[in-house]
Amino acid sequence: AQSVTQLGSHVSVSEGALVLLRCNYSSSVPPYLFWYVQYPNQGLQLLLKYTTGATLVKGINGFEAEFKKSETSFHLTKPSAHMSDAAEYFCAVSALDTNAGKSTFGDGTTLTVKP
Amino acid sequence: DARVTQTPRHKVTEMGQEVTMRCQPILGHNTVFWYRQTMMQGLELLAYFRNRAPLDDSGMPKDRFSAEMPDATLATLKIQPSEPRDSAVYFCASGGALQGTQYFGPGTRLLVL
Repeated sequence: AQSVTQLGSHVSVSEGALVLLRCNYSSSVPPYLFWYVQYPNQGLQLLLKYTTGATLVKGINGFEAEFKKSETSFHLTKPSAHMSDAAEYFCAVSALDTNAGKSTFGDGTTLTVKP
Repeated sequence: DARVTQTPRHKVTEMGQEVTMRCQPILGHNTVFWYRQTMMQGLELLAYFRNRAPLDDSGMPKDRFSAEMPDATLATLKIQPSEPRDSAVYFCASGGALQGTQYFGPGTRLLVL
């Protein structure tokens, strides 16, 4: 079984500031980890994912995340926030087990970017 | 550019009416998911299918909700009878890889009066 905890339901940053969205996971088997973004009135879309290999994963729009097994974390970062980054972000975990293909999603973090 | 499509995009109906939502998964994807999203409950998994067979519908109120995949290109979610508490955005997503990337449709925004 897997679970995801996103720390902070709302994060506010100034334009140009560092973005850090936190995600911790629990999984009984090696996890696959995802970050999705949801813009207003749209469905979720994949930002980046970790399956195997390099633990620092780069995604679209300048975002990246690092898989840290010892800390069971997969935090999302972006060096410099842009107004267009304002959205809701979801961390998700899945595993190659009997529920392969199914993901468990976190509760989401709403990112606000102030001018 | 392959996408998941959902119809209708918006639906307003009266309590007690039947609602049918349709989803066309990305061609070749063998896993289909139905989610419901509300401000209060967030994103909830209602049901999912693999190779058209239902694997888990434990998140769905069985007395009024039903989900089917008549063929590989169509998934349906029905509510009968609908209630005001069913008002939400319903998303369909499909996936083709065991690693679990899901591709979401634009959603059906349902309002039950």
